[in-house]
Amino acid sequence: DVKVTQSSRYLVKRTGEKVFLECVQDMDHENMFWYRQDPGLGLRLIYFSYDVKMKEKGDIPEGYSVSREKKERFSLILESASTNQTSMYLCASSTAGTGTDTQYFGPGTRLTVL
Amino acid sequence: GEDVEQSLFLSVREGDSSVINCTYTDSSSTYLYWYKQEPGAGLQLLTYIFSNMDMKQDQRLTVLLNKKDKHLSLRIADTQTGDSAIYFCAESGTGGSYIPTFGRGTSLIVHP
Repeated sequence: DVKVTQSSRYLVKRTGEKVFLECVQDMDHENMFWYRQDPGLGLRLIYFSYDVKMKEKGDIPEGYSVSREKKERFSLILESASTNQTSMYLCASSTAGTGTDTQYFGPGTRLTVL
Repeated sequence: GEDVEQSLFLSVREGDSSVINCTYTDSSSTYLYWYKQEPGAGLQLLTYIFSNMDMKQDQRLTVLLNKKDKHLSLRIADTQTGDSAIYFCAESGTGGSYIPTFGRGTSLIVHP
């Protein structure tokens, strides 16, 4: 079974803090993604990566950066957290070249910025 | 650009069938998916259908695809309280993209 884990289930930070969210997958997937999920807005793609050290902006990259130094790990960084970044953050991974683009999701990190 | 739309809420009685509907705009979609998100958890793939199929059945789940109308539906037979969750419709393959486009999710509430 594919397993995608996220470093924290719940996180509380203060405005202006630097925040790291980590995601690890154990299936050797090439593609990894970070989404945020807000009520009524569904999933919005922040950043994605299709290979080590590669990153691409998604729909809402402002205020975020990412790092992919190893294939299994994809980190989301909030350089200076703000209250409007309070949200549920979901990491996902998928493999390339198998036909479907099925994504496998982690359990999510609920981040509260005070 | 591509868009996937679904209603936000559906309420059904336990034991009834649930039908969750989804429409999408891009006719070049290759795969269409249904994901389930239980409270406090990430999304989990329920099933998917290839665009050249019109139906797929898996136990209590039936997926119907009307490609002409760009309409996808998920039918859950004999709905149970454990089926209460948010259901997301998604499509991929448009323009060669491997990144699915998700709908906003339908909250299914099952009451006794």
